[in-house]
Amino acid sequence: DIQMTQSPSSVSASVGDRVTITCRASQGISSWLAWYQQKPGKAPKLLIYAASSLQSGVPSRFSGSGSGTDFTLTISSLQPEDFATYYCQQANSFPVTFGPGTKVDIK
Amino acid sequence: EVQLVESGGGLVQPGGSLRLSCAASGFTFSSYWMHWVRQAPGKGLVWVSRINSDGSSTSYADSVKGRFTISRDNAKNTLYLQMNSLRAEDTAVYYCARGGTLYGDYDYWGQGTLVTVSS
Repeated sequence: DIQMTQSPSSVSASVGDRVTITCRASQGISSWLAWYQQKPGKAPKLLIYAASSLQSGVPSRFSGSGSGTDFTLTISSLQPEDFATYYCQQANSFPVTFGPGTKVDIK
Repeated sequence: EVQLVESGGGLVQPGGSLRLSCAASGFTFSSYWMHWVRQAPGKGLVWVSRINSDGSSTSYADSVKGRFTISRDNAKNTLYLQMNSLRAEDTAVYYCARGGTLYGDYDYWGQGTLVTVSS
């Protein structure tokens, strides 16, 4: 199975900060990467697909980049509603695997 | 509006069985692959199973293969997960999710249903 790692595991940030989360795959996955946001007690929400494509309805402050093994999710100006846990997911190889998550909380 | 609503979770003893359902609405259910993803308390997301649009092809995570069965009824717009021989480590919130783009993402998720395996 492809192993996904994320860094940092948690980050404390303030409203207005730029936040960058990194996701690394144990082998190349081309652009078969998605990012999800999950708030406590809620289902995950798709933010980014195909590594850099913004899902419909997702604010443009979210962006994704990367290909191969290294990917980033950037929140350009953190808003109060963005405090959540973020997961990356690869679908290049069976089975689909998720990263362990990055928790973004309030500084 | 796309909606996925899971049901059927609950408390079950080790070795027992449960059947989860996921009622879909707001889209042409029979055109989409569907998936189950679970999340143990305080843990991350783990893919469990998938089924293609007409139900002719299924896949499972190794951890549930031979114990869980995914199925669908396109006439009823409903996805199922039959879970047998349940173990404590199957305790989790189970989400159904719709297959999104060809890049393998999941574009809509249900609210989840909690399965607790305990004596």
